[in-house]
Amino acid sequence: DAGVTQSPTHLIKTRGQQVTLRCSPKSGHDTVSWYQQALGQGPQFIFQYYEEEERQRGNFPDRFSGHQFPNYSSELNVNALLLGDSALYLCASSLYGENYGYTFGSGTRLTVV
Amino acid sequence: QKEVEQNSGPLSVPEGAIASLNCTYSDRGSQSFFWYRQYSGKSPELIMSIYSNGDKEDGRFTAQLNKASQYVSLLIRDSQPSDSATYLCAVGDYGGATNKLIFGTGTLLAVQP
Repeated sequence: DAGVTQSPTHLIKTRGQQVTLRCSPKSGHDTVSWYQQALGQGPQFIFQYYEEEERQRGNFPDRFSGHQFPNYSSELNVNALLLGDSALYLCASSLYGENYGYTFGSGTRLTVV
Repeated sequence: QKEVEQNSGPLSVPEGAIASLNCTYSDRGSQSFFWYRQYSGKSPELIMSIYSNGDKEDGRFTAQLNKASQYVSLLIRDSQPSDSATYLCAVGDYGGATNKLIFGTGTLLAVQP
């Protein structure tokens, strides 16, 4: 049973560019959450998708957007990249409304130069 | 603003000793608490969850919860060099449309052989 899978593993982008990160949830899960982890910090909640809609959003600017597809997979898009967007981006899947800890994917390391 | 606080460390313990990691949280209504282990360059791995006051043991790990003091701890018995990692405390933020985890900044544990 595959867990949460993310792609790509690593990415280097130039300031001002746009990036798309992808996530496939664990089989049976219907909700995808995205987190950003800057170096030396804990993960910060970006947003959560369920039934192809953004259900909740953390304190991130509109440059961060997402999408969920009918097969529950998800994309995270970041426009107008800033140096401060360099971080590990983590995807977690779950069943909507379940009150337990997430299993994270292996993450995408984004470096903005 | 709900917060989770951890001492960033590093916490250094000799091999075979007990490592004690601590965490406090600001929202008195919190009900779900999690400990994640994160090796350098990797994604966080869920190692313990606790929902009720008291102790919960799983192998060499014991999680302790005191809701009155808004305090969570993780004890690692017979610490091994392979336990050297950053330990992240997370609190579930559930309610209405809210369904996310709030993380502390993590405590770096170094087990000395």
